[in-house]
Amino acid sequence: QVQLQESGPGLVKTSETLSLTCTVSGGSISSDSWNWIRQPAGKGLEWIGRIYTSGITHYSPSLKSRITVSLDMAKNQFSLSLSPVTAADTAVYYCARGLTSQKYSDGWYRSNYFDLWGRGTLVTVSS
Amino acid sequence: SYELTQPPSVSMSPGQTARITCSGDGLPNHYVYWYQQKPGQAPVLVIYKDRERPSGIPERFSGSSSGTRVTLTISGVQADDEADYYCQSADNSGTWVFGGGTKLTVL
Repeated sequence: QVQLQESGPGLVKTSETLSLTCTVSGGSISSDSWNWIRQPAGKGLEWIGRIYTSGITHYSPSLKSRITVSLDMAKNQFSLSLSPVTAADTAVYYCARGLTSQKYSDGWYRSNYFDLWGRGTLVTVSS
Repeated sequence: SYELTQPPSVSMSPGQTARITCSGDGLPNHYVYWYQQKPGQAPVLVIYKDRERPSGIPERFSGSSSGTRVTLTISGVQADDEADYYCQSADNSGTWVFGGGTKLTVL
């Protein structure tokens, strides 16, 4: 069965770069989209960004200027880079597989839902 | 920015029916998905496309929608259902959005 696992430094210095990798095992990375989601301690979930197997990316407007998501299909991995970081970026970071669904209303509207998640990795930003 | 609104908390006794709502202006156009998150664990998908249940999710979990509001219903709440529940949908620019989450307490 397909599993996701996040990896990367647990501590990053303020103003530096947060880099995480998600490894997909037990299956191919050639599915709809691959996403990053984070959760500060005691708070809710925040979607950060996604990448499709085509290489097309989409980022949260609040993070767009600081984020890059990339894909390495040969390694079955995708990655997150966030720079520069502040203490507000301290959170558990999850990677997740996104599956597409479309709803017809006055036109077709597309969205993703997350059927597989990694276990999450805590990243602390501190000076 | 687009927002999904959930009640912060819901409390139920075992065996009762819990209803958790999620409101947003864009919901007539976009599907809503629901996730259950227990402490220290990753979220788990419990409802997709407003009302579909993934395999392995108990039948007591159901979803419904009406206009700008969707509802997650848990019939016959059990102690094991105590968790945070998040709705998720999309805005028209392709941004995925989560609600603030609802803490379900089973008394």
